[in-house]
Amino acid sequence: DGGITQSPKYLFRKEGQNVTLSCEQNLNHDAMYWYRQDPGQGLRLIYYSQIVNDFQKGDIAEGYSVSREKKESFPLTVTSAQKNPTAFYLCASSIGQGARSNQPQHFGDGTRLSIL
Amino acid sequence: QKEVEQNSGPLSVPEGAIASLNCTYSDRGSQSFFWYRQYSGKSPELIMSIYSNGDKEDGRFTAQLNKASQYVSLLIRDSQPSDSATYLCAVNHWGLTGGGNKLTFGTGTQLKVEL
Repeated sequence: DGGITQSPKYLFRKEGQNVTLSCEQNLNHDAMYWYRQDPGQGLRLIYYSQIVNDFQKGDIAEGYSVSREKKESFPLTVTSAQKNPTAFYLCASSIGQGARSNQPQHFGDGTRLSIL
Repeated sequence: QKEVEQNSGPLSVPEGAIASLNCTYSDRGSQSFFWYRQYSGKSPELIMSIYSNGDKEDGRFTAQLNKASQYVSLLIRDSQPSDSATYLCAVNHWGLTGGGNKLTFGTGTQLKVEL
């Protein structure tokens, strides 16, 4: 079945540790996104990528890094510089940019990150 | 100033009633509008898209858009307990580096459908 797979579902980070969240899609979508959701707040954009080997910072990129080496994959690394990483992380994808950029984004099941 | 505003609720309606969820947005250049449903602890699920003024119906759901008033709403007819969730309004507009679109989310309205 086509969709977006995020792993792991739950992740725990120790002090000073970097952790990587996986996001894979088989929808043949060009654009991929990472959001963070905190209780009582809307989704906030961390990073996005509209094409392979290119990505841009969103509204809250500090303390995070990404790569887009393959169309299907857009992993997010939460670095030790992110002092408040506890949140629900959501990966999304959409068909693409330009004339097709009005299409909706579809979400994976999310990864819940906590601090040990 | 928030770009997309929703009443956080909770909005409580009896089973079988019509639930009305509202959203206002600030960017007049917004081009497309979406409603997502999010159950507690789960990820958002797209339930409606609307691109032009007027009403769009899909089953028990109707989305309404008024660009002049910068207002979009979602009506749920014959509300069921399974409709109890948080409903996120999302507005799409040009704003990303490289010419891409940006999806801005409201904080969501919690709907409770009571037996």
